[in-house]
Amino acid sequence: DGGITQSPKYLFRKEGQNVTLSCEQNLNHDAMYWYRQDPGQGLRLIYYSQIVNDFQKGDIAEGYSVSREKKESFPLTVTSAQKNPTAFYLCASKGRLLSTDTQYFGPGTRLTVL
Amino acid sequence: GIQVEQSPPDLILQEGANSTLRCNFSDSVNNLQWFHQNPWGQLINLFYIPSGTKQNGRLSATTVATERYSLLYISSSQTTDSGVYFCAVERGFGNEKLTFGTGTRLTIIP
Repeated sequence: DGGITQSPKYLFRKEGQNVTLSCEQNLNHDAMYWYRQDPGQGLRLIYYSQIVNDFQKGDIAEGYSVSREKKESFPLTVTSAQKNPTAFYLCASKGRLLSTDTQYFGPGTRLTVL
Repeated sequence: GIQVEQSPPDLILQEGANSTLRCNFSDSVNNLQWFHQNPWGQLINLFYIPSGTKQNGRLSATTVATERYSLLYISSSQTTDSGVYFCAVERGFGNEKLTFGTGTRLTIIP
């Protein structure tokens, strides 16, 4: 099946630990995105990548890092510098660079920092 | 940056009722999408509609780009329509970021 997978679905970590969230797509999409959603809120953009080996900061990049070594994969690391990391994290991808195609979303990862 | 406002923030309806959700945006856009977020958090694409009108079953959407608003219509609501509906816009032309509204939470009562 074509789609976007995120793992794990639920993640618990102790304060001060870095954690990496996985996002994989087999849609052959160029662009990939990471969003954060807090309860009762809309989505806010953390990082995005329009092509392999390139990525840009979104609106709330502080305390996060990403890599884009392969077209299919766009992992997000939540570092200990992120002051309030507990949230729902959504990954998305889009078809063509500089296109107006729709973004498609993965099922999300719920991160809880204890 | 571009501002996206959705109204109403909450809507509670009886099964079978019709509803209209509104999305206002502050600048011209190249892309507008409507999403439904189900209770498990999955975002489902409903419409890609930067302008004009589209219909898909009981749902339809209209975007009037010159007046900077979009409407989502849900007819004959079912309990499975419950969830949060988001509007998101993208400026395009090199600015490839979707900006989301804060959503409308729709609750359909049997």
